[in-house]
Amino acid sequence: DQQVKQNSPSLSVQEGRISILNCDYTNSMFDYFLWYKKYPAEGPTFLISISSIKDKNEDGRFTVFLNKSAKHLSLHIVPSQPGDSAVYFCAASGAMTTDSWGKLQFGAGTQVVVTP
Amino acid sequence: DSGVTQTPKHLITATGQRVTLRCSPRSGDLSVYWYQQSLDQGLQFLIQYYNGEERAKGNILERFSAQQFPDLHSELNLSSLELGDSALYFCASNPGQGRYEQYFGPGTRLTVT
Repeated sequence: DQQVKQNSPSLSVQEGRISILNCDYTNSMFDYFLWYKKYPAEGPTFLISISSIKDKNEDGRFTVFLNKSAKHLSLHIVPSQPGDSAVYFCAASGAMTTDSWGKLQFGAGTQVVVTP
Repeated sequence: DSGVTQTPKHLITATGQRVTLRCSPRSGDLSVYWYQQSLDQGLQFLIQYYNGEERAKGNILERFSAQQFPDLHSELNLSSLELGDSALYFCASNPGQGRYEQYFGPGTRLTVT
């Protein structure tokens, strides 16, 4: 039962352009959403997060948008740089008052390749 | 560097054997989480400990167990290993205080032959 889905396994983008990564979820009880970046042979690195009470969060080149009615979130990276080439995972957690808090549910990941 | 350490980095063992994976959380973090990443299942939550006590379980097999010690490091014990247990095992810690993000270690790659 995959509750968090990233339907695009890969994305190729030119350096300097915008990368848009998408993520859909099915569980309306999810309260918090996170994006992680992963290089080969390393653990996932936390990038940015958003609470369900917000629709946008920005941190430098990274912006996450949340559309609760559509159960959809996206990560925008502007401008894309060669060092951004990695696998990006979307993750979701239930609220702190629920049994599902802390049990991050991950999507399958999207491989981003930034070309010069 | 997330501040979470895991040892060993690689582990090769035979079916039926038992192994122990070790994790040290970031300084000050009381929560430790274990995840398994396999080719067919992706990243899956296994178990959480908070300040020495088990807090939550995911789809963790009965052959697997974990504990968190008074110094807050954690160990994941995998026994009666099967070929299908070959995977990357990640440990993560959380700063608490209302924060949701988890910081992951570099992982242990387990190969069962």
